[in-house]
Amino acid sequence: GQNIDQPTEMTATEGAIVQINCTYQTSGFNGLFWYQQHAGEAPTFLSYNVLDGLEEKGRFSSFLSRSKGYSYLLLKELQMKDSASYLCAVRDDKIIFGKGTRLHILP
Amino acid sequence: DAGITQSPRYKITETGRQVTLMCHQTWSHSYMFWYRQDLGHGLRLIYYSAAADITDKGEVPDGYVVSRSKTENFPLTLESATRSQTSVYFCASLTQQGIHGYTFGSGTRLTVV
Repeated sequence: GQNIDQPTEMTATEGAIVQINCTYQTSGFNGLFWYQQHAGEAPTFLSYNVLDGLEEKGRFSSFLSRSKGYSYLLLKELQMKDSASYLCAVRDDKIIFGKGTRLHILP
Repeated sequence: DAGITQSPRYKITETGRQVTLMCHQTWSHSYMFWYRQDLGHGLRLIYYSAAADITDKGEVPDGYVVSRSKTENFPLTLESATRSQTSVYFCASLTQQGIHGYTFGSGTRLTVV
């Protein structure tokens, strides 16, 4: 079956670093996405990993280990605007989403 | 403007009525998708389409019908709306390569009373 797990909620402090983990078990694998979704809005694309390793994009980085079925999203220098849900999604023949991690940022 | 647009943005309908949610994209992306998003379930795939006249079921297709006669349009029809179909519906498109991920429409908030 298809299963994507990520924590339901996390809390971090402005200016700090937070790591959001995602584990997956899928019948196939053609890449892993991370999306950001603010309340009441559509998800927006953050990153795509298809090979093992770290992809860095500004304050955001995403890591993938295909052998472990594991990814994380690393957010540095947290800002209040980073308060949102973060969705992990795996592409098999279609894209399956995890339930999302709601990130709360404290001042 | 280029992009992916959904209409209506909000809709209230009665149980048993047929309702169609529209989705239009201007990029000629091959793939288009319909998801519903509910608290506690996240985004769940209803139907998707790899090209015009090619559609396939996703995780939760029951009670929904789709068509794709033209590449740019992918309407979703609830044949006989039920309260359990109250949700936020997102349409999305994806290039063949998919390396830039989905582009989502703004969503339709549907309430079935």
